[in-house]
Amino acid sequence: DIQMTQSPSSVSASLGDRVTITCRASQDISSKLAWYQQKPGKAPNLLIYAASSLQSGVPSRFSGSASGTEFTLTINSLQPEDFAIYYCQQANSFPLTFGGGTKVEIK
Amino acid sequence: EVQLLESGGGLVQPGGSLRLSCVGSGFTFSSYAMSWVRQAPGKGLEWVSATGSGGVDTHYADSVQGRFTISKDNSRNTLYLQMNSLRAEDTAIYYCVRPLVTAAHTRWFDPWGQGTLVTVSS
Repeated sequence: DIQMTQSPSSVSASLGDRVTITCRASQDISSKLAWYQQKPGKAPNLLIYAASSLQSGVPSRFSGSASGTEFTLTINSLQPEDFAIYYCQQANSFPLTFGGGTKVEIK
Repeated sequence: EVQLLESGGGLVQPGGSLRLSCVGSGFTFSSYAMSWVRQAPGKGLEWVSATGSGGVDTHYADSVQGRFTISKDNSRNTLYLQMNSLRAEDTAIYYCVRPLVTAAHTRWFDPWGQGTLVTVSS
């Protein structure tokens, strides 16, 4: 199975900050990676797919990048509605696997 | 509007069974592979099972292999998850999810249903 190691597990940031979240795959996943945002009591919401493609309707302050088996989600100019938990997911092969999540909290 | 609506969750004793349903609307249900993803209380996301668009090919997480069965009735626009031999560790919100597009091997999910809670406890 492909392991997805996500870091940090939590980050405290202020409005307007840039936040970077990293996910490392245990083997090559050919950029088949997605990022989701989850707010309390809600289902996750797709932000980024194919490592760097922005899902329709998602603000452009969210971006994704890839370097080998390391993937990064960047949130530029953090907004109040961005405080949430973020998950990565590898979509390369079954069993599909998620990272452990990163909670973005208000500093 | 594309929607997924789950039902069938509830309280069940360890060793018991439950069948979840998910009705899809607003899209051509028969064209999409479908999956179930779960989330234990206060925990992260765990993919559970997937089936192809025709409901023939299936995949399972090791944690549910042999106990859960996924199926798809395209005539009823409905996805099912039959859960047998339930354990306390199966307690979770179960989400029905659809891939973003119909293309094969596209396994990132949008939309998600609202989820249905399964509680396994005596």
